[in-house]
Amino acid sequence: QKEVEQNSGPLSVPEGAIASLNCTYSDRGSQSFFWYRQYSGKSPELIMSIYSNGDKEDGRFTAQLNKASQYVSLLIRDSQPSDSATYLCAVMGGQNFVFGPGTRLSVLP
Amino acid sequence: KAGVTQTPRYLIKTRGQQVTLSCSPISGHRSVSWYQQTPGQGLQFLFEYFSETQRNKGNFPGRFSGRQFSNSRSEMNVSTLELGDSALYLCASSPGQGVSAGYGYTFGSGTRLTVV
Repeated sequence: QKEVEQNSGPLSVPEGAIASLNCTYSDRGSQSFFWYRQYSGKSPELIMSIYSNGDKEDGRFTAQLNKASQYVSLLIRDSQPSDSATYLCAVMGGQNFVFGPGTRLSVLP
Repeated sequence: KAGVTQTPRYLIKTRGQQVTLSCSPISGHRSVSWYQQTPGQGLQFLFEYFSETQRNKGNFPGRFSGRQFSNSRSEMNVSTLELGDSALYLCASSPGQGVSAGYGYTFGSGTRLTVV
């Protein structure tokens, strides 16, 4: 069973701080990694994708991938209350897209 | 361009009934995947269709089925509904299948099914 694991949270950070979300995966053959944000009552929306080891930055978001350690993380700088949502890590290897259970982030004003 | 469209948005059914949900992918997308989302289980993969063929299937009973039409629109059907089938059903479309499916993988707004 291919698994993707995340801390369920909630992770609470003050406004303006850096939020760090982590994800580990079990399938060493995984090739593509994604972070989705899901607001309560809404569908997931893609915010970041990463395919190579290292960091990838997009605005306030930075995705980090370490295939040797089988983890991928998402950093959110200058966190805002509007970032409060559940963040889903998704891993693709072969034919399947596997989602983690999500981490609930709460940014406190 | 139009996003992924799911209908209906909300549905209330009685135990034992069957239900059909519809998903229209983004124009040009040929892959459609279905997921069940519940508070306790998170996003659970149901199945994926590409070019009218089921390519992958998750661990759900045979009561859950689907199909894809030549225009890439997809339907999923749940027969003999159980209370535990109450969930948000999401479909996602993408241009391709497999590894390439991750590119542009876009979700619809979902159908909220309540079984009473």
